[in-house]
Amino acid sequence: AQSVTQLDSQVPVFEEAPVELRCNYSSSVSVYLFWYVQYPNQGLQLLLKYLSGSTLVESINGFEAEFNKSQTSFHLRKPSVHISDTAEYFCAVSGASGGYNKLIFGAGTRLAVHP
Amino acid sequence: GAVVSQHPSRVICKSGTSVKIECRSLDFQATTMFWYRQFPKQSLMLMATSNEGSKATYEQGVEKDKFLINHASLTLSTLTVTSAHPEDSSFYICSARVKGTETQYFGPGTRLLVL
Repeated sequence: AQSVTQLDSQVPVFEEAPVELRCNYSSSVSVYLFWYVQYPNQGLQLLLKYLSGSTLVESINGFEAEFNKSQTSFHLRKPSVHISDTAEYFCAVSGASGGYNKLIFGAGTRLAVHP
Repeated sequence: GAVVSQHPSRVICKSGTSVKIECRSLDFQATTMFWYRQFPKQSLMLMATSNEGSKATYEQGVEKDKFLINHASLTLSTLTVTSAHPEDSSFYICSARVKGTETQYFGPGTRLLVL
């Protein structure tokens, strides 16, 4: 069955430091990949997505993720984080055995940015 | 664009009563809507997929008679938790997808507490 692994449940980091949130998925066929962010007591907001084309995708608030097919990874990075980036981040995949209709989520990574 | 709303945002009810949660796509037509459940500090688990005008497809282990889903129009889906019990207390999140696209847009969630 298709699965998504987020290797870090929590990532503490100081403000203005770089950060990488790791995501690996299990699939040998084409998939679509997503990163969602969830602020406390709120729903999920789409941060960025990879559907096809360039393997490097960017969000409007400075995050980027690179699709690496050989390593089946879609790690999320930001060169300099802000306090306001503190949130839960979910990696998700659709496609392959789950069908493109269904999103499979990772367990989430809590990013805590400290001053 | 692509705004999804949920109502109510929070509901407290007595055990044995039924609760209806609405999910609306405000600025687009959603041919497919999804209902997720999220336990504290955990990821989202897909409960069911509903297509406008047809019966919902439930995930394994989800009781369709307990979680009634109606997708009566292209902008509205409802989830009714029937005969709610304390173990049904959770964060319920809906999402909507435009036909022909692969991106799901999420509502802000409804926190249900059953006493």
